[in-house]
Amino acid sequence: EAQVTQNPRYLITVTGKKLTVTCSQNMNHEYMSWYRQDPGLGLRQIYYSMNVEVTDKGDVPEGYKVSRKEKRNFPLILESPSPNQTSLYFCASSLGGRGRETQYFGPGTRLLVL
Amino acid sequence: AQSVTQPDIHITVSEGASLELRCNYSYGATPYLFWYVQSPGQGLQLLLKYFSGDTLVQGIKGFEAEFKRSQSSFNLRKPSVHWSDAAEYFCAVGPRAGGTSYGKLTFGQGTILTVHP
Repeated sequence: EAQVTQNPRYLITVTGKKLTVTCSQNMNHEYMSWYRQDPGLGLRQIYYSMNVEVTDKGDVPEGYKVSRKEKRNFPLILESPSPNQTSLYFCASSLGGRGRETQYFGPGTRLLVL
Repeated sequence: AQSVTQPDIHITVSEGASLELRCNYSYGATPYLFWYVQSPGQGLQLLLKYFSGDTLVQGIKGFEAEFKRSQSSFNLRKPSVHWSDAAEYFCAVGPRAGGTSYGKLTFGQGTILTVHP
């Protein structure tokens, strides 16, 4: 089954404790992206990747890191989480990134930073 | 900068009634346009998309949307709502060209739909 998976689905952590949220897709998609969803703000892009070893900032990259060492995986790293990073995070992928390709979303990771 | 506005934060309709969710965008040129739906606890699912051609687009689950260039709008409609349509709906735009906006979707704030029996 074609899908985007994220782990963990729920995470509670404390300020400053490094964490990684994994994202994997099995569709051989080139383009992958991370979004955060906050009430009243919709989804905002954090980082995106056009292919292996090619990443760039989205609208709200501060406090996040990403890497793309393999085509299928695109982990999101919070080196020193803070309470304002409490949010719902979505990973997405698409065949390309030219705008017209459908983006497929993972189920989301709900993060609480105390 | 591009932006997407969904004026209605929350809409309540009765089952069987018609539905229209509004979406307006501000963009340098006509972007690609999308509607996504998010059911409680779920990820986002694409309902429909507009790239070019016929301005009335049909999607899944009986939804349709109409692109109106003069109004910079892409409103979502359904003639008869079912209780299972209760969800949050997001309008999104994507750039037609590459550059710094490569692949990025810009989302509206979302509209929560409640369906009364």
